[in-house]
Amino acid sequence: KQEVTQIPAALSVPEGENLVLNCSFTDSAIYNLQWFRQDPGKGLTSLLLIQSSQREQTSGRLNASLDKSSGRSTLYIAASQPGDSATYLCAVGDSSGSRLTFGEGTQLTVNP
Amino acid sequence: DAGVIQSPRHEVTEMGQEVTLRCKPISGHNSLFWYRQTMMRGLELLIYFNNNVPIDDSGMPEDRFSAKMPNASFSTLKIQPSEPRDSAVYFCASSLAELNTEAFFGQGTRLTVV
Repeated sequence: KQEVTQIPAALSVPEGENLVLNCSFTDSAIYNLQWFRQDPGKGLTSLLLIQSSQREQTSGRLNASLDKSSGRSTLYIAASQPGDSATYLCAVGDSSGSRLTFGEGTQLTVNP
Repeated sequence: DAGVIQSPRHEVTEMGQEVTLRCKPISGHNSLFWYRQTMMRGLELLIYFNNNVPIDDSGMPEDRFSAKMPNASFSTLKIQPSEPRDSAVYFCASSLAELNTEAFFGQGTRLTVV
């Protein structure tokens, strides 16, 4: 059974800092990996999708990397802003690409 | 497209009552997922459909839970009878399976069973 772990559980940083969120998974036979953002009381917003054959994806200030063999992914956020404050969730897609197994999330607070 | 649409946004019901949650996936998407989110267990997949057919319902907690997808644009998740421990946020998501695209989530239904 796939297990996804995110470290740290919570992170507080000053505005402008670059930061890294970590995600690890136990079964490397994944189809894809997706990073989401969730604001309090809201749904999930997809940030980046990495296919199993890819090493990284970039969108604006966000960069996600994937090392399938070691079961790790990182989400790098450059020049953090208070508006980046949210919970960030990592989800791993199984071999069919349909089932997503989620980590517990990292709660990020960026202080002005 | 308006995205994945769920209704109602909030539902408060008494224990023992039937609850029906509704979802309209993104037009053209052929995979639909129901997730439940709680503080204790995080996000859990309950069931998913591909081309309106239930593929995996192993996450459905009990027989009190049932889900249907009568057509490509509508799905329901029903709880009968509801219990306080069913209180959670229920999310619906959709994707286009063949192209391995990202999953898009609705805003969720916050269910409170008292």
